[in-house]
Parts: sequence; structure tokens; C-alpha cells
Amino acid sequence: EIILTQSPATLSLSPGERATLSCRASQSVRSYLAWYQRKPGQAPRLLIYDVSNRATGIPARFSGSGSGTDFTLTISSLEPEDFAVYYCQQRSNWPRTFGQGTKVEIK
Amino acid sequence: QVQLRESGPGLVKPSETLSLTCTVSGGSISRYFWSWIRQPPGKGLEWIGYIYYSGSTNYNPSLKSRVTISVDTSKNQFSLDLTSVTAADTAVYYCARDSYCTSGSCYSDYWGQGALVTVSS
Repeated sequence: EIILTQSPATLSLSPGERATLSCRASQSVRSYLAWYQRKPGQAPRLLIYDVSNRATGIPARFSGSGSGTDFTLTISSLEPEDFAVYYCQQRSNWPRTFGQGTKVEIK
Repeated sequence: QVQLRESGPGLVKPSETLSLTCTVSGGSISRYFWSWIRQPPGKGLEWIGYIYYSGSTNYNPSLKSRVTISVDTSKNQFSLDLTSVTAADTAVYYCARDSYCTSGSCYSDYWGQGALVTVSS
């Protein structure tokens, strides 16, 4: 199965700063990569699908890029509600797999 | 707005069967894939398997021998059974709706809040 490695494990930033999260795949996942946000006690939320497409209702400050094995989620200017854990997921190869997550915390 | 809610016992004894139900509201269970995903404490997310509203299923090979997912369209529910559980099956279990699919390969666009199931005697 494909292993997704996210880095860093924790990102400490202040509101208004730019966040850059990385997801690296053990082999190519083509363009079949998504990003999710999860806050404590809440259901995970799909942010980005197929690398760069924002899901319904997702603000424009969230953007995704990359291809093959290296992918990035960028939050252009952190809002207070953006401090959460973020996961990447691939659907290129069976079974679908997730990264271990990056926690974005308030500095 | 589609909402999903997991329900079932929070404590299961080793070697017994873990059973959870997901109730879907705000939308029909028809014409979608529906997944179960879990996260053991301190570990990453693991996709367990999916069911199509018609009843066809597919499971993660790592759990395939112990997993059964079923659907009841009349109740807008789908369910998970995991047999012969051990402490390693202790996790938060999520149900989710799948979208953006190609031949059953999907992302999950709506999730439940999760249900913690502990395996312990």
C-alpha cells in the first residue's frame, strides 16, 4: 500500500501567517490526493480534492498543489478557526490511505 | 446538509464482535458509496471499507477476513461488524459518505463525529 508521510508533525504559527504543509507519497499517486481538516470533537472536513480543487464551501485561503509524489497544502493567512489537524489521503492505489497528520497550533 | 451519526457499544470484550451503525440524515443513502474509517489512539487514519447503496462492498485487505459492512436503505443506515476483536481494534470509528469516486476509489466529503470503541475485558 502507498505510505503518505506528512511534515512537519506540528506547525506553530500565529494568526495571519502563511502555513505550508507537506505530504509525500511512497510512490506516485498521480493527481489523486485530498486534504482534510479535523478539529477536536468535530467531524473531519474535506478541504481539497484531486490536488487542487476546493470542496464546496471551502474558503479561497486554502489551496493545494503538487503532482506525483510531492504535495502541498497552503493556508495563505491563518484564521483562528484554522488551527486544527490536517490529513492528506490518496485514492490512486488500493486501498486508499491517509497521512499521519500535521497539527497547526497557535504560537 | 447531510449529517452522519455513529452509534453502538463503546466497550467490547476481546474475541467478540464490534458492531456499529451509521444513520444518515439530510439526504438519501442512494447513489453513493459509504465508508467506515478508524483511528487508533496516537495513530493515523485507516480506511476499513465501503458499501455502495446497492449492497456491493470492498474492504481493506488488512481487515478483510474480519469485516462485514451492510446497508439498510429503508432506514437510511449502514453498519459495520468487526469480528474477533483485540486491543489493537480500540479506536475512534468514523462513518463517511464517499464522493469524487472513480470505480469505487473515493474521497469522503461528509463524516460523522466518530465513536470511540474500546476493546477490553
